[in-house]
Amino acid sequence: DQQVKQNSPSLSVQEGRISILNCDYTNSMFDYFLWYKKYPAEGPTFLISISSIKDKNEDGRFTVFLNKSAKHLSLHIVPSQPGDSAVYFCAAPGRGGNQGGKLIFGQGTELSVKP
Amino acid sequence: DAMVIQNPRYQVTQFGKPVTLSCSQTLNHNVMYWYQQKSSQAPKLLFHYYDKDFNNEADTPDNFQSRRPNTSFCFLDIRSPGLGDAAMYLCATSRGRGADSNQPQHFGDGTRLSIL
Repeated sequence: DQQVKQNSPSLSVQEGRISILNCDYTNSMFDYFLWYKKYPAEGPTFLISISSIKDKNEDGRFTVFLNKSAKHLSLHIVPSQPGDSAVYFCAAPGRGGNQGGKLIFGQGTELSVKP
Repeated sequence: DAMVIQNPRYQVTQFGKPVTLSCSQTLNHNVMYWYQQKSSQAPKLLFHYYDKDFNNEADTPDNFQSRRPNTSFCFLDIRSPGLGDAAMYLCATSRGRGADSNQPQHFGDGTRLSIL
C-alpha cells in the first residue's frame, strides 16, 4: 500500500508566526519526500525535499522534518508571509515494480497567512 | 522562462467530442507524466512515458490515451469526454526513474478542461 496522507485540509496562520504542515505515509519503502506548493491556476512548484537518511533539511524559511519511526514528516515555515498562502502537497516517489518515478501525492493543505 | 508548457490553459469541449491537450518541455527530460486533478484532491497519475516506453496506470480509463512523438512533446487525448472528466490536467517531467527518480518533477501550469 503506497499512501501519503495530509489530514488537515486547511491551516490559517498569522503573518510572522510559524506554519506547520503535516504529512503521514504508510509505506516504509519510501525513502525520499518532496513538498510542492501550488497557487491557484498554476502547476505545483517544487519547494523542498528530504532523503530518508536525514531527519531534517533546511532551506531559508522552510524546514522539513522526517520522523521515520512514526512515518511522519512536517514542513515548517518561519516566519510565515502572506505570499506563502497556497496549497501545499506532500509527495513521495513510488517504490517497487514499475512505480519508479511515480509521485504519490497527499491531498494537500491549504495554507492561509493573514496579515 | 517556462520549462514545461501546456496548451491551451483552458479548454472547453462538448460531451463526447474528442479533445487533445498538449505539453512541451525544454528540459530534455526522459520522463513525461500526465496527471488529473479534481478540486480539493491530490493529483492522480494517468500515465507516463519513459522515453518512448508508455506506462499506463491500472485504473486509467481507456477513454484516455497519450502520444509522445518526440522527446519534447507529449499529448493527452480524451476520446469521448464525459462530465466526470472535467478537471485540471497537469503535465510534468523528470530526468529519469530508479535512482534518478529522487529528482523533483517539474510541472506545467495545467489545462483546465470543462465539459458542456
